[in-house]
Amino acid sequence: QVQLQESGPGLVKPSQTLSLTCTVSGGSINSGDYYWTWIRQPAGKGLEWIGRIYSIGGTNYNPSLKSRVTISADTSKNQFSLKLSSVTAADTAIYYCARDSHGDHGMDVWGKGTTVTVSS
Amino acid sequence: SYELTQPPSVSVSPGQPASITCSGDKLGDKFACWYQQKPGQSPVLVIYQDSKRPSGIPERFSGSNSGNTATLTISGTQAMDEADYYCQAWDSSTVVFGGGTKLTVL
Repeated sequence: QVQLQESGPGLVKPSQTLSLTCTVSGGSINSGDYYWTWIRQPAGKGLEWIGRIYSIGGTNYNPSLKSRVTISADTSKNQFSLKLSSVTAADTAIYYCARDSHGDHGMDVWGKGTTVTVSS
Repeated sequence: SYELTQPPSVSVSPGQPASITCSGDKLGDKFACWYQQKPGQSPVLVIYQDSKRPSGIPERFSGSNSGNTATLTISGTQAMDEADYYCQAWDSSTVVFGGGTKLTVL
């Protein structure tokens, strides 16, 4: 059974870079069948797709965040990561990693989420 | 950019059917998914490819998608179904979520 676990600092200062890692267990991120995805959710608000990485290192990003986002993968550690630069208070949210299946099968596995607060 | 619109809230009595809509331009030409999110929990996929249920999702959850509207229907709504529901679709290699609908079971 595939499980995802987010990790990283819970507090980031404004203008700095937010860095999170998602560790995948029970399956390989090398599988060509999935997109490995980041989503966030500000407190009391809806879900926002940040972006995803897939086989051979391909990436897609939310156009509204594209200039600040980098998603990468470390296959040796079976992890994928999110970097969001120049953060502001508006980036304060719960950050989730998820597995999104090719063929429009939806995001069928989610991490528990990690709360990141942007504050000085 | 592509947008999906959901009603902010829907109320239903226990045992009655509940329908939650999701509107977007030519949404019927795309596949839609639905997620259920209970307070303090991660979202759970309840419908994919418009109308398919993942393993473990009760049969009372069903979906449809045509024209500009996708619909999630819960037949015989139970108190445990009270949650936020989000639709989701793909557009030009990006993922779009609806704003979410709070389902209240009165």
